[in-house]
Amino acid sequence: EIVMTQSPATLSVSPGERATLSCRTSQNVATNLAWYQQKPGQAPRLLIFGASVRATGIPSRFTGAGSGTEFTLVISGLQSEDFAVYYCQQYNYWPPWTFGQGTKVEVK
Amino acid sequence: EVQLVESGGGLVQPGRSLRLSCVASGFPFDKYAMHWVRLVPGKGLEWVAGISWGSTNINYADSVKGRFTVSRDDAKNSLYLQMHSLTADDTASYHCAKALDMLTLTCPFDVWGRGTSVTVSS
Repeated sequence: EIVMTQSPATLSVSPGERATLSCRTSQNVATNLAWYQQKPGQAPRLLIFGASVRATGIPSRFTGAGSGTEFTLVISGLQSEDFAVYYCQQYNYWPPWTFGQGTKVEVK
Repeated sequence: EVQLVESGGGLVQPGRSLRLSCVASGFPFDKYAMHWVRLVPGKGLEWVAGISWGSTNINYADSVKGRFTVSRDDAKNSLYLQMHSLTADDTASYHCAKALDMLTLTCPFDVWGRGTSVTVSS
């Protein structure tokens, strides 16, 4: 099973600033890596797939990068609606389709 | 509009059973793999089970293997999760999710339902 490690667990950022989230996989998953946003009481939302491809309707302030075992999600110019929990997921080796433990982006 | 709506959650005693349902609309349901993912309080997202188009490839997380059964009824555009021998560790919000791409399992999940809450407690 691929182990996903996200860092940091919590990121305190002021509105308008940039947030950088990291995700590491225990084995090479090429670019089969996705990022999701989760808000309380809502369905998770696919942001990025293929490590760097924005999903339909996702604003350009969300940027994904990386390949192999190291990945990043950068949110530029944080807006109020961006404060949420973010998860990475690998879909290269399944089952299982594994998620990271999440990074909470909170208001500083 | 592509939509997934779950139902069937509730409060259940340890050891009992529960059946969750997910109704899909807005896309050719029979062409896509579908999954159940749970959001565990304080822990995050955990993939639970997945079923391919045609039900030929079915997979489970180790934590539910032998207790949960995933199935689909393409005529009804519906996905199901039969859960037996429930424990407190199964307490979570259960979400159904659609594979991004048609006819493949090697892809992320692009549409999710809002979830149905399962609480296992005496």
